[in-house]
Amino acid sequence: DQQVKQNSPSLSVQEGRISILNCDYTNSMFDYFLWYKKYPAEGPTFLISISSIKDKNEDGRFTVFLNKSAKHLSLHIVPSQPGDSAVYFCAASALGNQFYFGTGTSLTVIP
Amino acid sequence: DTAVSQTPKYLVTQMGNDKSIKCEQNLGHDTMYWYKQDSKKFLKIMFSYNNKELIINETVPNRFSPKSPDKAHLNLHINSLELGDSAVYFCASSPAGGGVIPPLHFGNGTRLTVT
Repeated sequence: DQQVKQNSPSLSVQEGRISILNCDYTNSMFDYFLWYKKYPAEGPTFLISISSIKDKNEDGRFTVFLNKSAKHLSLHIVPSQPGDSAVYFCAASALGNQFYFGTGTSLTVIP
Repeated sequence: DTAVSQTPKYLVTQMGNDKSIKCEQNLGHDTMYWYKQDSKKFLKIMFSYNNKELIINETVPNRFSPKSPDKAHLNLHINSLELGDSAVYFCASSPAGGGVIPPLHFGNGTRLTVT
């Protein structure tokens, strides 16, 4: 039973434009969410997180938005750069227990 | 100075064999994990150890046995390998929470291919 879903397996964006990656979850107990970035042949690396008490968290070009009522979060990258091309995983946790991951979205930023 | 290192990077073996994957972290973290990424790219937790004690053991065949000799190491032993065990296995670690949920630090993965 997949509790975290990333329904877009891939996304292509022009350099300089905004990239929006989406993530949906089913478990209303989830209270902490993270985004990871993964390059080929490497492990995922932590990018940004948000707790359920917030609806937005920003870190430089990366912003995560959380809509609890819709059980939806999104990652915005502005402006997108070619080095952002990677697979992005969404993950969620309930009460600090194990993390559940989505299947990832492969982002390609076209120069 | 790799933070979480796992070996080997690639492992090709035949069905029925027994193999091990090693993981070491030099971050001083208390908790270590094994995750499996299958062909559908689904990244799923298998085991979690905190200070050498097993705290999470998902529904994993008992052919898979983790061993943690100390809190910096978590090895994965797999007996009687099957075709369906082919996947990328990631080791990860995280520090104690201290009220804040820390992110996971992943190794670069071990691609296991069972023929």
